[in-house]
Amino acid sequence: DAGITQSPRHKVTETGTPVTLRCHQTENHRYMYWYRQDPGHGLRLIHYSYGVKDTDKGEVSDGYSVSRSKTEDFLLTLESATSSQTSVYFCAISGDSENYGYTFGSGTRLTVV
Amino acid sequence: GENVEQHPSTLSVQEGDSAVIKCTYSDSASNYFPWYKQELGKRPQLIIDIRSNVGEKKDQRIAVTLNKTAKHFSLHITETQPEDSAVYFCAASRQGGKLIFGQGTELSVKP
Repeated sequence: DAGITQSPRHKVTETGTPVTLRCHQTENHRYMYWYRQDPGHGLRLIHYSYGVKDTDKGEVSDGYSVSRSKTEDFLLTLESATSSQTSVYFCAISGDSENYGYTFGSGTRLTVV
Repeated sequence: GENVEQHPSTLSVQEGDSAVIKCTYSDSASNYFPWYKQELGKRPQLIIDIRSNVGEKKDQRIAVTLNKTAKHFSLHITETQPEDSAVYFCAASRQGGKLIFGQGTELSVKP
């Protein structure tokens, strides 16, 4: 469905532990994005990538890092999870430098206890 | 950077009525304005978009208008149906830029 999958779908982790979320696409799209969704804040950009090994920070990047070693995979790491990082995380892809709508993954619901 | 404000945060209408959601943006260089619909527990999905060289675009019961001078754009849904109930997000980006989203509007259509 839509050529983009996120894993895991749900995760509960403890404060202070590292967590990695995975986004995998089969569309060969150049651009990939990580957003978090919280009530009252909409979707906020964490990090994005415009190609293999090319990444940059978004609006709310503190406490997060990313890696993209292959076109199809974009990993988001919470270096030391905090309760404020409890959220739903969405990955998105887009195919061109022109502005096109994004296709979103199904999301990962992360709870930090 | 770009900032997108969306209003209202919640909207309740009777089935068959029209619904209007409004967004303003701050970056005058923004030239792409999509709208997404997110049903409960699902991913956001693109429903319509407009570019800055167009003032209005329609797709069946959905229309979007853009006022570049005032830096605002709106989503219009006519003849609303219960299946239109969802959270709607507006977004804006400049050429080659990233989408910045509004805070979302929860639309409830009452039968």
